[in-house]
Amino acid sequence: QITLRESGPTLVKPTETLTLTCTFSGFSFRTTAVGVGWIRQPPGKGLEWLALVYWDNNKRYSPSLKTRVTITKDTSENQVVLTLTNVDPVDTGTYFCAHTPPTTTTAATSFHFWGPGTLVTVSS
Amino acid sequence: SYDLTQPPSVSVFPGQAASITCSADKLGDNYASWYQQKPGQSPLLVIYQDAKRPSGIPERFSGSTSGNTATLTISGTQAVDEALYYCQAWDRSAGVVFGGGTKLTVL
Repeated sequence: QITLRESGPTLVKPTETLTLTCTFSGFSFRTTAVGVGWIRQPPGKGLEWLALVYWDNNKRYSPSLKTRVTITKDTSENQVVLTLTNVDPVDTGTYFCAHTPPTTTTAATSFHFWGPGTLVTVSS
Repeated sequence: SYDLTQPPSVSVFPGQAASITCSADKLGDNYASWYQQKPGQSPLLVIYQDAKRPSGIPERFSGSTSGNTATLTISGTQAVDEALYYCQAWDRSAGVVFGGGTKLTVL
């Protein structure tokens, strides 16, 4: 059974750096082609993809956020960490991590299991 | 940028079929996925790789692609299907992209 759970601060001040951790079970980065991504959702709005890291440490970032976002994985701890620098109130929202299973092509990327999400508010 | 266009809302009577579309340039060259999201919940994958249904998803959910449009169809729509639905695809430059979402209302 695959589960994921996000953790981190609920309140961050503008210009600070947000660090979120995704802790998962039921799969491993030792499995070829598996990946974990981060997706966020501002209150009342749609989904926005932020970053993705694969088993081989290949990383992809949203072009609109790539200068502010970093994703790292800890294979031994079954964790993925997202950092977002210089946060602004527009970064307020629920942040989800999600599992993407092995596929033969990145064009088939989809998120099969999601964490419950963590609400982050950016405010002074 | 790579934009996936969905209608903001779709309405359907119980028992009828609901169709939600997702359009983008060269969408036919990529796979589309569909997610259902109910208030206060995480998104739930209902269709991946255009037409595959994950384990546990009812058979009334189906997906198809024609040209640059992907379509999610819910046959025999039930009240429990009322939710937001998002399409998602992969673009070589943009990475993972989500559509703006469609609110499905069961009348």
